[in-house]
Amino acid sequence: EAQVTQNPRYLITVTGKKLTVTCSQNMNHEYMSWYRQDPGLGLRQIYYSMNVEVTDKGDVPEGYKVSRKEKRNFPLILESPSPNQTSLYFCACGKLNQPQHFGDGTRLSIL
Amino acid sequence: GESVGLHLPTLSVQEGDNSIINCAYSNSASDYFIWYKQESGKGPQFIIDIRSNMDKRQGQRVTVLLNKTVKHLSLQIAATQPGDSAVYFCAEKYTNAGKSTFGDGTTLTVKP
Repeated sequence: EAQVTQNPRYLITVTGKKLTVTCSQNMNHEYMSWYRQDPGLGLRQIYYSMNVEVTDKGDVPEGYKVSRKEKRNFPLILESPSPNQTSLYFCACGKLNQPQHFGDGTRLSIL
Repeated sequence: GESVGLHLPTLSVQEGDNSIINCAYSNSASDYFIWYKQESGKGPQFIIDIRSNMDKRQGQRVTVLLNKTVKHLSLQIAATQPGDSAVYFCAEKYTNAGKSTFGDGTTLTVKP
Protein backbone atom coordinates (compact mmCIF):
# COMPACT_ATOMS: atom_id res chain seq x y z
CA GLU A 1 0.00 0.00 0.00
CA ALA A 2 1.32 3.44 -1.00
CA GLN A 3 2.08 5.34 2.18
CA VAL A 4 3.56 8.54 3.54
CA THR A 5 4.35 7.97 7.20
CA GLN A 6 4.97 10.77 9.65
CA ASN A 7 6.22 10.42 13.21
CA PRO A 8 5.28 11.46 15.76
CA ARG A 9 1.61 12.14 15.07
CA TYR A 10 1.34 14.34 18.16
CA LEU A 11 3.96 16.13 20.24
CA ILE A 12 3.82 18.63 23.06
CA THR A 13 7.19 20.14 23.89
CA VAL A 14 8.82 23.27 25.21
CA THR A 15 10.48 26.26 23.63
CA GLY A 16 14.07 25.66 22.59
CA LYS A 17 14.11 21.88 22.76
CA LYS A 18 15.26 20.54 19.39
CA LEU A 19 12.88 18.17 17.69
CA THR A 20 12.67 16.18 14.48
CA VAL A 21 9.57 15.05 12.65
CA THR A 22 10.30 12.13 10.39
CA CYS A 23 8.68 11.46 7.04
CA SER A 24 9.06 8.29 5.04
CA GLN A 25 7.50 7.25 1.72
CA ASN A 26 7.39 3.87 0.01
CA MET A 27 6.52 5.09 -3.50
CA ASN A 28 10.05 5.81 -4.73
CA HIS A 29 9.06 9.38 -5.62
CA GLU A 30 11.75 11.98 -6.24
CA TYR A 31 9.74 14.93 -4.95
CA MET A 32 8.96 15.50 -1.27
CA SER A 33 7.67 18.53 0.59
CA TRP A 34 6.70 19.83 4.02
CA TYR A 35 3.70 22.05 4.75
CA ARG A 36 2.21 23.64 7.81
CA GLN A 37 -1.50 24.17 8.20
CA ASP A 38 -2.89 26.92 10.40
CA PRO A 39 -6.53 27.97 10.79
CA GLY A 40 -7.59 30.37 8.05
CA LEU A 41 -4.23 30.14 6.26
CA GLY A 42 -4.53 26.93 4.29
CA LEU A 43 -1.35 24.94 3.71
CA ARG A 44 1.90 26.81 3.42
CA GLN A 45 4.99 25.19 2.00
CA ILE A 46 8.04 25.10 4.28
CA TYR A 47 10.65 23.23 2.24
CA TYR A 48 10.69 20.89 -0.70
CA SER A 49 13.13 18.48 -2.26
CA MET A 50 13.32 17.62 -5.94
CA ASN A 51 15.67 14.68 -5.34
CA VAL A 52 18.30 13.27 -3.01
CA GLU A 53 20.61 16.01 -1.69
CA VAL A 54 18.50 18.72 -3.38
CA THR A 55 16.38 20.90 -1.09
CA ASP A 56 14.84 24.36 -1.51
CA LYS A 57 12.93 26.85 0.56
CA GLY A 58 9.20 27.18 0.27
CA ASP A 59 7.19 30.16 1.44
CA VAL A 60 7.77 29.84 5.21
CA PRO A 61 11.21 28.25 5.81
CA GLU A 62 12.30 30.36 8.80
CA GLY A 63 13.03 28.27 11.89
CA TYR A 64 13.10 24.95 10.01
CA LYS A 65 15.72 22.71 8.46
CA VAL A 66 15.39 19.63 6.29
CA SER A 67 17.66 17.01 4.86
CA ARG A 68 17.34 14.51 2.04
CA LYS A 69 20.09 11.95 2.37
CA GLU A 70 18.06 9.15 0.83
CA LYS A 71 15.05 9.10 -1.44
CA ARG A 72 12.51 7.68 1.00
CA ASN A 73 13.13 9.99 3.98
CA PHE A 74 12.69 13.73 4.40
CA PRO A 75 12.91 14.78 8.06
CA LEU A 76 11.82 18.21 9.29
CA ILE A 77 14.05 19.65 12.00
CA LEU A 78 13.19 22.41 14.42
CA GLU A 79 16.50 23.37 16.02
CA SER A 80 15.01 25.78 18.56
CA PRO A 81 11.22 25.53 18.46
CA SER A 82 9.14 28.54 19.42
CA PRO A 83 5.41 28.87 20.19
CA ASN A 84 4.68 30.35 16.74
CA GLN A 85 5.67 26.98 15.28
CA THR A 86 2.70 25.35 16.97
CA SER A 87 0.84 23.96 14.00
CA LEU A 88 -0.32 20.93 12.05
CA TYR A 89 2.43 19.67 9.74
CA PHE A 90 2.07 17.58 6.61
CA CYS A 91 4.66 15.76 4.57
CA ALA A 92 3.93 14.95 0.94
CA CYS A 93 5.59 13.15 -1.94
CA GLY A 94 4.96 12.69 -5.62
CA LYS A 95 6.28 12.71 -9.12
CA LEU A 96 7.03 16.19 -10.32
CA ASN A 97 4.03 17.67 -12.17
CA GLN A 98 1.69 15.08 -10.67
CA PRO A 99 -0.59 15.28 -7.61
CA GLN A 100 1.05 14.85 -4.23
CA HIS A 101 0.39 12.11 -1.69
CA PHE A 102 0.10 13.40 1.85
CA GLY A 103 0.75 11.87 5.23
CA ASP A 104 -1.86 12.10 7.98
CA GLY A 105 -0.15 14.99 9.73
CA THR A 106 1.80 15.79 12.87
CA ARG A 107 0.28 18.09 15.44
CA LEU A 108 2.99 20.04 17.27
CA SER A 109 2.39 22.15 20.35
CA ILE A 110 5.31 24.30 21.51
CA LEU A 111 4.80 25.70 25.01
CA GLY B 1 -16.96 41.79 -17.95
CA GLU B 2 -16.98 38.16 -17.05
CA SER B 3 -18.39 37.16 -13.72
CA VAL B 4 -16.81 34.47 -11.63
CA GLY B 5 -17.78 32.99 -8.32
CA LEU B 6 -16.44 34.27 -5.06
CA HIS B 7 -14.30 32.12 -2.82
CA LEU B 8 -16.32 31.27 0.29
CA PRO B 9 -14.68 29.81 3.39
CA THR B 10 -17.77 27.71 4.08
CA LEU B 11 -20.48 26.21 1.93
CA SER B 12 -23.55 24.31 3.07
CA VAL B 13 -25.65 22.32 0.61
CA GLN B 14 -28.50 19.85 0.73
CA GLU B 15 -27.77 16.22 -0.06
CA GLY B 16 -28.40 15.61 -3.74
CA ASP B 17 -27.77 19.20 -4.80
CA ASN B 18 -24.80 20.26 -6.88
CA SER B 19 -21.92 22.10 -5.18
CA ILE B 20 -19.62 24.70 -6.66
CA ILE B 21 -16.42 25.60 -4.87
CA ASN B 22 -14.40 28.54 -6.17
CA CYS B 23 -10.75 29.43 -5.99
CA ALA B 24 -8.78 32.44 -7.19
CA TYR B 25 -5.14 31.69 -7.90
CA SER B 26 -2.35 34.18 -7.62
CA ASN B 27 0.37 33.47 -10.18
CA SER B 28 -0.40 34.00 -13.85
CA ALA B 29 2.61 31.78 -14.68
CA SER B 30 1.04 28.75 -12.95
CA ASP B 31 0.09 26.09 -15.45
CA TYR B 32 -0.93 23.11 -13.32
CA PHE B 33 -3.85 23.14 -10.89
CA ILE B 34 -5.03 20.51 -8.46
CA TRP B 35 -8.04 20.10 -6.19
CA TYR B 36 -7.61 18.25 -2.91
CA LYS B 37 -10.13 17.05 -0.35
CA GLN B 38 -9.21 16.97 3.34
CA GLU B 39 -11.33 14.99 5.76
CA SER B 40 -11.12 15.57 9.48
CA GLY B 41 -7.91 14.18 10.99
CA LYS B 42 -6.37 13.27 7.64
CA GLY B 43 -4.05 14.70 5.05
CA PRO B 44 -5.32 16.17 1.77
CA GLN B 45 -6.28 13.67 -0.92
CA PHE B 46 -6.17 14.27 -4.65
CA ILE B 47 -9.53 14.75 -6.40
CA ILE B 48 -8.88 16.11 -9.87
CA ASP B 49 -6.32 18.19 -11.72
CA ILE B 50 -6.15 20.33 -14.84
CA ARG B 51 -3.37 21.81 -16.92
CA SER B 52 -3.47 25.24 -18.46
CA ASN B 53 -3.98 23.96 -22.00
CA MET B 54 -7.49 22.90 -20.98
CA ASP B 55 -10.42 24.86 -19.56
CA LYS B 56 -12.54 21.94 -18.38
CA ARG B 57 -11.93 18.45 -17.11
CA GLN B 58 -14.41 15.92 -15.83
CA GLY B 59 -14.05 13.06 -13.40
CA GLN B 60 -16.54 10.91 -11.61
CA ARG B 61 -19.14 13.37 -10.24
CA VAL B 62 -16.56 16.17 -10.27
CA THR B 63 -15.72 18.79 -12.87
CA VAL B 64 -12.95 21.37 -12.74
CA LEU B 65 -13.20 24.60 -14.72
CA LEU B 66 -10.24 26.87 -15.37
CA ASN B 67 -10.54 30.50 -16.41
CA LYS B 68 -7.04 31.79 -17.05
CA THR B 69 -8.23 35.26 -18.03
CA VAL B 70 -9.36 36.03 -14.51
CA LYS B 71 -7.17 33.43 -12.74
CA HIS B 72 -10.10 31.47 -11.42
CA LEU B 73 -10.66 27.80 -10.78
CA SER B 74 -13.85 26.04 -9.74
CA LEU B 75 -14.76 22.55 -8.58
CA GLN B 76 -18.24 21.30 -9.27
CA ILE B 77 -19.54 18.29 -7.40
CA ALA B 78 -22.68 16.69 -8.79
CA ALA B 79 -25.32 15.13 -6.55
CA THR B 80 -23.44 15.98 -3.37
CA GLN B 81 -23.40 13.25 -0.74
CA PRO B 82 -22.73 13.32 3.02
CA GLY B 83 -19.35 11.71 2.35
CA ASP B 84 -18.37 14.80 0.39
CA SER B 85 -18.33 16.87 3.58
CA ALA B 86 -14.72 18.01 3.97
CA VAL B 87 -12.37 20.93 3.40
CA TYR B 88 -11.49 21.47 -0.25
CA PHE B 89 -8.26 23.14 -1.35
CA CYS B 90 -7.06 24.27 -4.71
CA ALA B 91 -3.33 24.27 -5.42
CA GLU B 92 -1.31 25.87 -8.20
CA LYS B 93 2.17 25.30 -9.48
CA TYR B 94 4.37 25.89 -12.46
CA THR B 95 5.51 22.89 -14.49
CA ASN B 96 8.86 21.51 -13.28
CA ALA B 97 8.98 23.90 -10.35
CA GLY B 98 9.01 22.56 -6.82
CA LYS B 99 6.90 25.27 -5.23
CA SER B 100 3.19 24.68 -4.69
CA THR B 101 0.75 27.29 -3.45
CA PHE B 102 -2.50 26.31 -1.79
CA GLY B 103 -5.68 28.33 -1.43
CA ASP B 104 -7.28 28.97 1.94
CA GLY B 105 -9.79 26.15 1.62
CA THR B 106 -13.56 25.84 1.63
CA THR B 107 -15.39 23.76 4.22
CA LEU B 108 -18.25 21.93 2.56
CA THR B 109 -21.08 20.68 4.78
CA VAL B 110 -23.72 18.41 3.28
CA LYS B 111 -27.05 18.39 5.07
CA PRO B 112 -29.09 15.16 4.90
